[in-house]
Amino acid sequence: DSGVTQTPKHLITATGQRVTLRCSPRSGDLSVYWYQQSLDQGLQFLIQYYNGEERAKGNILERFSAQQFPDLHSELNLSSLELGDSALYFCASSATGFGTEAFFGQGTRLTVV
Amino acid sequence: SQQGEEDPQALSIQEGENATMNCSYKTSINNLQWYRQNSGRGLVHLILIRSNEREKHSGRLRVTLDTSKKSSSLLITASRAADTASYFCATDEGGSYIPTFGRGTSLIVHP
Repeated sequence: DSGVTQTPKHLITATGQRVTLRCSPRSGDLSVYWYQQSLDQGLQFLIQYYNGEERAKGNILERFSAQQFPDLHSELNLSSLELGDSALYFCASSATGFGTEAFFGQGTRLTVV
Repeated sequence: SQQGEEDPQALSIQEGENATMNCSYKTSINNLQWYRQNSGRGLVHLILIRSNEREKHSGRLRVTLDTSKKSSSLLITASRAADTASYFCATDEGGSYIPTFGRGTSLIVHP
């Protein structure tokens, strides 16, 4: 158990809908990362937050947004969903986000139908 | 963005044998991390090695880093069927500290 908790584990929704994925980092970790894993794209970095502030952006679509709350949990919002958004979404946390180990949650499997 | 590239893409061995996976990258890094992923599950952190380190051990795992060749290797000694998984290296572009992943090596260990 990495100590990173993601909910829900599975999500099935229709095209055009909006969903929210949740992540609780390991106790004491200030940095949260979001990744998308699909068969064709591999593991893609989406966005990083550090202590409530956005720190880095990767290949995140404009339809996607995220935030990190004062209690350090994070949410990833995916809207206007398309079939191609079906993937595993992972959250990872690290103590500082500056060269410390990143520990991953079990992921949320999103299926868009 | 930079990615580590693992080699080989797939590896099939017998229990008890050693497994070696390699990772190459393109630009300078601050650190490199190795992860294991069982099918459809989360990534398990194995080892982080910093750019000023050459070798690290953890149990049956040995990781080396050669910054002059921009490459790293993961050695699993005395492999077990339970080691069957995909193994990924994650590098960070110099200054970014963002773990960026390659496509991974799929390891199958036959009992």
